[in-house]
Amino acid sequence: DTAVSQTPKYLVTQMGNDKSIKCEQNLGHDTMYWYKQDSKKFLKIMFSYNNKELIINETVPNRFSPKSPDKAHLNLHINSLELGDSAVYFCASSQGTLLFFGPGTRLTVL
Amino acid sequence: GEDVEQSLFLSVREGDSSVINCTYTDSSSTYLYWYKQEPGAGLQLLTYIFSNMDMKQDQRLTVLLNKKDKHLSLRIADTQTGDSAIYFCAESIGGGYQKVTFGTGTKLQVIP
Repeated sequence: DTAVSQTPKYLVTQMGNDKSIKCEQNLGHDTMYWYKQDSKKFLKIMFSYNNKELIINETVPNRFSPKSPDKAHLNLHINSLELGDSAVYFCASSQGTLLFFGPGTRLTVL
Repeated sequence: GEDVEQSLFLSVREGDSSVINCTYTDSSSTYLYWYKQEPGAGLQLLTYIFSNMDMKQDQRLTVLLNKKDKHLSLRIADTQTGDSAIYFCAESIGGGYQKVTFGTGTKLQVIP
């Protein structure tokens, strides 16, 4: 299946821990994104990479560090997790104007 | 500004038409989109319209764009229970890389 995939689907962890979420797309797109969706369903862009280069960084704390080893992968590493980081994180990719989203990773910080 | 606003909730009866409205503030938007999110799932692109168009129809979906009033609407004809979801309006500003800003989402409830 051609798609955007993320792992894990669910992530439950304690405050202060470090965790990573992985994203892969096999659509051949050049641009990948991370979005955060809060409990009120508000969706906000965090980062965007084009051909492995960071092009959008939206006032996200330094504890969040995206890494793009190649243009098909964009991972998100989060240090020192806080309660407010609990949300659903969506990866997306695009070639041109249309965004294609992954299924989301629900992160719960206890 | 980049605010995109929608009403939070809409309830319709099965078989009726649904109209979901959206207002945006950035007049330099190049594309406007409608995405659908079912419970526990990611966002699925439904349709989009280029800013120099005022209408687009795709099967049961009709998108109307009033650029003067910065108003976008999505009409779903013959609404079905499977249409129950959250609908997000979004805009992108052209010129280089895509930065898509999403609205607050409208939860559509279809009553059988």
